[in-house]
Amino acid sequence: DVKVTQSSRYLVKRTGEKVFLECVQDMDHENMFWYRQDPGLGLRLIYFSYDVKMKEKGDIPEGYSVSREKKERFSLILESASTNQTSMYLCASTPGVTGVTEAFFGQGTRLTVV
Amino acid sequence: AQKITQTQPGMFVQEKEAVTLDCTYDTSDQSYGLFWYKQPSSGEMIFLIYQGSYDEQNATEGRYSLNFQKARKSANLVISASQLGDSAMYFCAENRDDKIIFGKGTRLHILP
Repeated sequence: DVKVTQSSRYLVKRTGEKVFLECVQDMDHENMFWYRQDPGLGLRLIYFSYDVKMKEKGDIPEGYSVSREKKERFSLILESASTNQTSMYLCASTPGVTGVTEAFFGQGTRLTVV
Repeated sequence: AQKITQTQPGMFVQEKEAVTLDCTYDTSDQSYGLFWYKQPSSGEMIFLIYQGSYDEQNATEGRYSLNFQKARKSANLVISASQLGDSAMYFCAENRDDKIIFGKGTRLHILP
């Protein structure tokens, strides 16, 4: 059974803290994604990675960075958490093969910054 | 930048009726893919259906079909014979060059 696993379902952090959100996939997928989901705004792409150590900015990268040292793991880093980063964060992966279909999602991490 | 537009923030539909959820995209590329996902209140993202830009036939998966009109750049989701369990958020998405962008979603309410 294919799986994308996010390390935490719920997180509460203080303003200014450095926050790590971890995502692991066991499908040997090339591409991995981080989105944030807010009511009325849908899923917005923060960063994606198409290979180890490779990354590209999405639509809202400000305040975030990412790390992909191993193919199966893609980390989202909030260098200095702020209250406007309170959100649901979703990780996804795709095989990266042309014509292949769906993205596989993790269960989401609901982050609250206080 | 890629843009996916879902013009219906919310819809109310009577059970057993058919539903059409709108989606338009703005790519000028020749090769791309379009998806629909369902997100129930539990929060999980459930893949429903996929349409490739070169597919000549509209995609179908059970009660779901995708009304693909390439010239109009639209990829509407049609749910036939709606059920109470269809109440959820629905997201349209585009995969272009491995980058996947989502629309803002439509919240569908099925009324008994």
